Amino acid sequence: ETGVTQTPRHLVMGMTNKKSLKCEQHLGHNAMYWYKQSAKKPLELMFVYSLEERVENNSVPSRFSPECPNSSHLFLHLHTLQPEDSALYLCASSQVTGLDYGYTFGSGTRLTVV
Amino acid sequence: GENVEQHPSTLSVQEGDSAVIKCTYSDSASNYFPWYKQELGKRPQLIIDIRSNVGEKKDQRIAVTLNKTAKHFSLHITETQPEDSAVYFCAATPSSGGSYIPTFGRGTSLIVHP
Repeated sequence: ETGVTQTPRHLVMGMTNKKSLKCEQHLGHNAMYWYKQSAKKPLELMFVYSLEERVENNSVPSRFSPECPNSSHLFLHLHTLQPEDSALYLCASSQVTGLDYGYTFGSGTRLTVV
Repeated sequence: GENVEQHPSTLSVQEGDSAVIKCTYSDSASNYFPWYKQELGKRPQLIIDIRSNVGEKKDQRIAVTLNKTAKHFSLHITETQPEDSAVYFCAATPSSGGSYIPTFGRGTSLIVHP
């Protein structure tokens, strides 16, 4: 186990559904991130929570809504998604204070919107 | 903002050969440069990193070099093995304004033929 756990691993949802992705880290990190990874595209930063405050939105559509109740948990709430939102959604955590701020990624949620 | 270019997009080598992946960055404030390996169907994993006060770092068969003046850094893998086959991402991370959000390259797909 990497220390960053994402659930579910796979999700198929209709365009009218509402679902949530969950991420949990046990590394004591103080920042968490959501990334979207699509085929043939670079990693796309969606949301950042540093010290439990959202610091970057990066112009993500409002059908994606993040929630970070504490430094260990991060959610991504999904509603009325589009087929082009199908992708691998990766959660990551890091320590933004000190000298070591490399990412630890979760295994991702493979999302398919039908 | 930061811009990271990564080349090549695909690299095919024979087992035992060396592989080199190159990245350039634009923001002179970037001072932390991690490399991630993502095997097929798995999460990206940090494999090596380098800070701007160091020119080279080695860890067994992998090494990273950094040229701050030219703003480029490279990943070197020697004696490649089939299990090195993966997508490799470079990143450049600034430390200004309390934000440690990296900018990722588009990735290099390394294929090691046995």
